Amino acid sequence: KQEVTQIPAALSVPEGENLVLNCSFTDSAIYNLQWFRQDPGKGLTSLLLIQSSQREQTSGRLNASLDKSSGRSTLYIAASQPGDSATYLCAVGDSNYQLIWGAGTKLIIKP
Amino acid sequence: EAGVTQSPTHLIKTRGQQATLRCSPISGHTSVYWYQQALGLGLQFLLWYDEGEERNRGNFPPRFSGRQFPNYSSELNVNALELEDSALYLCASNYRGGAYGYTFGSGTRLTVV
Repeated sequence: KQEVTQIPAALSVPEGENLVLNCSFTDSAIYNLQWFRQDPGKGLTSLLLIQSSQREQTSGRLNASLDKSSGRSTLYIAASQPGDSATYLCAVGDSNYQLIWGAGTKLIIKP
Repeated sequence: EAGVTQSPTHLIKTRGQQATLRCSPISGHTSVYWYQQALGLGLQFLLWYDEGEERNRGNFPPRFSGRQFPNYSSELNVNALELEDSALYLCASNYRGGAYGYTFGSGTRLTVV
């Protein structure tokens, strides 16, 4: 059974810092992996989608990497801003089209 | 391009009543997924519809049901509401299978009193 873990559970950093959020999964037979952000009480916003055959994806200040062999993905946020404060969720897509979710990392960027 | 739209935004119901939540997927998307997110908890998978058929169901009682219409929009019905059904209900859509990722709506906040 696929399990997805996100570390750390919470992170507070000063504005301007570069930071890395981690996502690990137990079964390397994944279809794809998607990173989302969720603001309090709101829906999910898709940030990056990495297919199983890809190693990384970039969008603006965000870069997500995928290493299936080690069961890891990282989300790199460059030059963090207070508007980046949110909960970041990692979800692994399995061959049954199901998303397996991590518990999320709550990120606070201090001005 | 319009995103995934959900209605209503907020819904307040009394215990024992029925609630109906609606979701319109992105144009061209054939699959609709429903998730429940109770306060402070993670997303729990409820239902997956594709091409009008229920394809998969999460570990929820039968009083959670739904359907998908010919235009691919979807309804989630919750019967005999209980206090613990209070949660944010999120709908997502994709083009069959999730190869291109999931797009989520803003959710319906259901409060049962």
